Amino acid sequence: NAGVTQTPKFQVLKTGQSMTLQCAQDMNHEYMSWYRQDPGMGLRLIHYSVGAGITDQGEVPNGYNVSRSTTEDFPLRLLSAAPSQTSVYFCASSPDRDISYEQYFGPGTRLTVT
Amino acid sequence: GNSVTQMEGPVTLSEEAFLTINCTYTATGYPSLFWYVQYPGEGLQLLLKATKADDKGSNKGFEATYRKETTSFHLEKGSVQVSDSAVYFCALMTYGGSQGNLIFGKGTKLSVKP
Repeated sequence: NAGVTQTPKFQVLKTGQSMTLQCAQDMNHEYMSWYRQDPGMGLRLIHYSVGAGITDQGEVPNGYNVSRSTTEDFPLRLLSAAPSQTSVYFCASSPDRDISYEQYFGPGTRLTVT
Repeated sequence: GNSVTQMEGPVTLSEEAFLTINCTYTATGYPSLFWYVQYPGEGLQLLLKATKADDKGSNKGFEATYRKETTSFHLEKGSVQVSDSAVYFCALMTYGGSQGNLIFGKGTKLSVKP
């Protein structure tokens, strides 16, 4: 049981490049989400999904796209990277949106945009 | 809007010292409250939680009590160990449309010296 996996672990992009951060979970969780972690800012929600085919915006969605074609995968796309997107990105999942369920976090992707 | 405020770090303690990390929140309704821990180079892990007023969450010697009257959820441990060195995040989750979405404080870095 791998839990929540994220690839790549590290990535350097030039301004304007595009890329996809991968997130997968093998726990059959319905709810998945993406956060970014910046120094002194805590974690902020980018996008989330309550099930396959359903996504919604979080607190800081601009510059990011998501889709959820399967229960297992929830990729985060940067269409045109900007230096302001330099951050550590965490994917999380839980069985449901209900507050009684723990959210499980992946190990993170450290992205640098030059 | 909903928010979490936790004490600024870093906090440096000697082994076996008493730990308190303050956390206060602002929320509509009655949120659930959480403490997450992030060890160096890893993702976040749930440390403890409380879902209603006066509940006490506890795990690994850490405790926090949900105080509705002071809107607080302070984290305490009676005797810290070097292995407790990590970043600690206070978070809340509310009912309603944003249910399932965590709102985090900025994090408090704890360093424990032998």
